[in-house]
Amino acid sequence: AQTVTQSQPEMSVQEAETVTLSCTYDTSESNYYLFWYKQPPSRQMILVIRQEAYKQQNATENRFSVNFQKAAKSFSLKISDSQLGDTAMYFCAFQLGEDSNYQLIWGAGTKLIIKP
Amino acid sequence: NAGVTQTPKFQVLKTGQSMTLQCAQDMNHEYMSWYRQDPGMGLRLIHYSVGAGITDQGEVPNGYNVSRSTTEDFPLRLLSAAPSQTSVYFCASSYSWGATPHGYTFGSGTRLTVV
Repeated sequence: AQTVTQSQPEMSVQEAETVTLSCTYDTSESNYYLFWYKQPPSRQMILVIRQEAYKQQNATENRFSVNFQKAAKSFSLKISDSQLGDTAMYFCAFQLGEDSNYQLIWGAGTKLIIKP
Repeated sequence: NAGVTQTPKFQVLKTGQSMTLQCAQDMNHEYMSWYRQDPGMGLRLIHYSVGAGITDQGEVPNGYNVSRSTTEDFPLRLLSAAPSQTSVYFCASSYSWGATPHGYTFGSGTRLTVV
């Protein structure tokens, strides 16, 4: 079965600190895409960052970066210089290939609280 | 603004009632989907469509119907509402189906309560 595990239900850090959210997944496919989505209290789901599994280079988007370890099936998200606006639920997801109809498999989420 | 528009934002239904959640996008996306989000769980796929006239079931399709008569619209119908369908529903769309995915664009969600 294809699964995504986010082992940290909730985390909190002080503003300006760096925080890392963990994500592990399980799939037998070799080609897939990984995503981190952010869901603030407004409920809007926002794409934070994406990573192609065939690329070894870790993706980076401003203060957000990932540590992708394909062999370990790990895809953690690092947020540098955290800001109050980063407070949100963060979901890890991966998208399968054609044989699985390109479905997105989601983790249960990590609630991140940035304290002033 | 371009994006995915969902209506209504909130809805309360009585058990056995039917209703339609509306979803429209103006980005000419081929792929559209409906998810439900329950506390402590990730999003679960209900139905999806890869283009006008083509729909398929996701992980949790029972109790829901969809149709895709146009590229823009993808309504979700609850046939006979049950308390187990109390959830937050998201519509999402994407350019890519089979090509390099650019991530999904989500609507703002519909909070549905069935009493």
